[in-house]
Amino acid sequence: SQTIHQWPATLVQPVGSPLSLECTVEGTSNPNLYWYRQAAGRGLQLLFYSIGIGQISSEVPQNLSASRPQDRQFILSSKKLLLSDSGFYLCAWRLAGANTQYFGPGTRLTVL
Amino acid sequence: AQTVTQSQPEMSVQEAETVTLSCTYDTSENNYYLFWYKQPPSRQMILVIRQEAYKQQNATENRFSVNFQKAAKSFSLKISDSQLGDTAMYFCAFMYSGGGADGLTFGKGTHLIIQP
Repeated sequence: SQTIHQWPATLVQPVGSPLSLECTVEGTSNPNLYWYRQAAGRGLQLLFYSIGIGQISSEVPQNLSASRPQDRQFILSSKKLLLSDSGFYLCAWRLAGANTQYFGPGTRLTVL
Repeated sequence: AQTVTQSQPEMSVQEAETVTLSCTYDTSENNYYLFWYKQPPSRQMILVIRQEAYKQQNATENRFSVNFQKAAKSFSLKISDSQLGDTAMYFCAFMYSGGGADGLTFGKGTHLIIQP
């Protein structure tokens, strides 16, 4: 069966520091991968998605970036965090051509 | 672009009651999927139920069922015999089924509280 992992689970970072969040999927190959952000009191907003290694599409312009160095690895990064980057970050996957996305456990990011 | 609206920020019912959560959406597409996800206090997003827009029959999963009204662009979730474990945020979501890698568009959620 497929599983999705995210780490770290919780992160507290100062403004202006760099960020790296990691997501990995097991038990499948060539999945579509997604990064979402959930700000306090809001629904989820799609940030990035990827259909393959090195292929990244951005939905929202911001100071975040994403990379997919391996088939089942998806990384969310920032060079300098802003206060507004605080939130709950969720990674998701789905099989190409399938209709359902499955979510990881998420990372709670607090920028102080 | 599509939008998803959940007009009930919070609902509270007694255990064993039936509750209906509302969702409306706006899209110019004809082929799409609709979903309800549950987010308990652990914040893990869990798929509750999905509906293909081309299917007229409403989806059902045990105590969970939907009322899908395509012309009205309405997609409500009914929870029967509610249980304490149903307490969670519930999100309605839309996905275009054009064959690409489209992500989900979410509503802002409804906080459902099941009272003992």
